[in-house]
Amino acid sequence: GENVEQHPSTLSVQEGDSAVIKCTYSDSASNYFPWYKQELGKRPQLIIDIRSNVGEKKDQRIAVTLNKTAKHFSLHITETQPEDSAVYFCAASIRGQFYFGTGTSLTVIP
Amino acid sequence: GAGVSQSPSNKVTEKGKDVELRCDPISGHTALYWYRQSLGQGLEFLIYFQGNSAPDKSGLPSDRFSAERTGGSVSTLTIQRTQQEDSAVYLCASNPSGGVGTQYFGPGTRLTVL
Repeated sequence: GENVEQHPSTLSVQEGDSAVIKCTYSDSASNYFPWYKQELGKRPQLIIDIRSNVGEKKDQRIAVTLNKTAKHFSLHITETQPEDSAVYFCAASIRGQFYFGTGTSLTVIP
Repeated sequence: GAGVSQSPSNKVTEKGKDVELRCDPISGHTALYWYRQSLGQGLEFLIYFQGNSAPDKSGLPSDRFSAERTGGSVSTLTIQRTQQEDSAVYLCASNPSGGVGTQYFGPGTRLTVL
């Protein structure tokens, strides 16, 4: 089955700096890659996603890039703010099934 | 519109008892997923329902765990003879078709086994 690895497990950045979280996947048939943000005690919420026929997608301060050849995708958050502090999960989807990374705990220091 | 709902929000039970957790997906969503999230951990896949197809049960950790989905809508996750290691948040999610597209998560049920 699909295997998704996520790095780093924890990340601290100064407010205003950029944060990058990277994921790799193993099955080239995976065709959809969402990113979720989970605040403490709350449910995961989709923040951005990308399909396998697209290389990059941007939404304000958040962007995702996908390299199908290398089978990796990354989340980029620019101009980080304290409210960006949360756990971020990547996922790869294949045939309707979702495989999640182990999460990255992001702390934005004011 | 209404999102995914789960009940109860919290459940405290004694070791050895059976529990039932309920999930109401978004109306019309054919795909439904159950995950388990232990404190500070990632999302552990349990089971996936897609329409009338046989469910993917490959993530169920033991035969004490079972799930059903009635009428293609509401789902119930049952844990028999609960153990302390079953303590976790159980999250349900639904997806319009099980194809490309996001999952929408419910608020979860926090299960505590004493």
